[in-house]
Amino acid sequence: EVQLLESGGGLVQPGGSLRLSCAASGFTFSSYAMSWVRQAPGKGLEWVSGISGSSGSTYYADSVKGRFTISRDNSKNTLYLQMKSLRAEDTAVYYCAKVVRSTGWTRFDYWGQGTLVTVSS
Amino acid sequence: DIQMTQSPSSLSASVGDRVTITCQASQDISNYLNWYQQKPGKAPKLLIYDASNLETGVPSRFSGSGSGTDFTFTISSLQPEDIATYSCQQYDDLPTFGGGTKVEIK
Repeated sequence: EVQLLESGGGLVQPGGSLRLSCAASGFTFSSYAMSWVRQAPGKGLEWVSGISGSSGSTYYADSVKGRFTISRDNSKNTLYLQMKSLRAEDTAVYYCAKVVRSTGWTRFDYWGQGTLVTVSS
Repeated sequence: DIQMTQSPSSLSASVGDRVTITCQASQDISNYLNWYQQKPGKAPKLLIYDASNLETGVPSRFSGSGSGTDFTFTISSLQPEDIATYSCQQYDDLPTFGGGTKVEIK
């Protein structure tokens, strides 16, 4: 059974940093691209970042480019999102999502339960 | 960025009704479109991929159609467990989602 478990969310001050983790199980982690998708309170879904199975390619939404860094450790079956220079508008539930193939983004067939990031003073 | 315009933003229908949601892309995206269901407090669930293909295990009352810029998602007979927000997502370019349609029971 595929499972994705996010952690690392919490309250952080504007300008602060936070690192999210997503522990994956139930599939061959290195064979699939992964993404982070967020949802601000009461708002729609927003794709944030993606990474290929081999970590050779990374992609970012313009809203986070230069501030967020996606990475993965295939030996630990874990996906990460390092977030810096956080802003109030980054407040959201952050989901990790599995892509159906090793590269790109196409469709997201499994999602974690999400972790809440709140940016506030 | 490719913008996805979804309508309506919310709807109320009776059990057994046919429900239709539309999604319009700001440019031609061929059939590179997916539909998700999200129940309150839960993660999204993939229902339809490549505009019209039903994900494994999803009930056949859900369907999708369209290509180019105009897409439709249909629930043929609304059930109480279908109460959720439905969102489209394109992947012709970096992924973008529609604003979502909240479906309620009348």
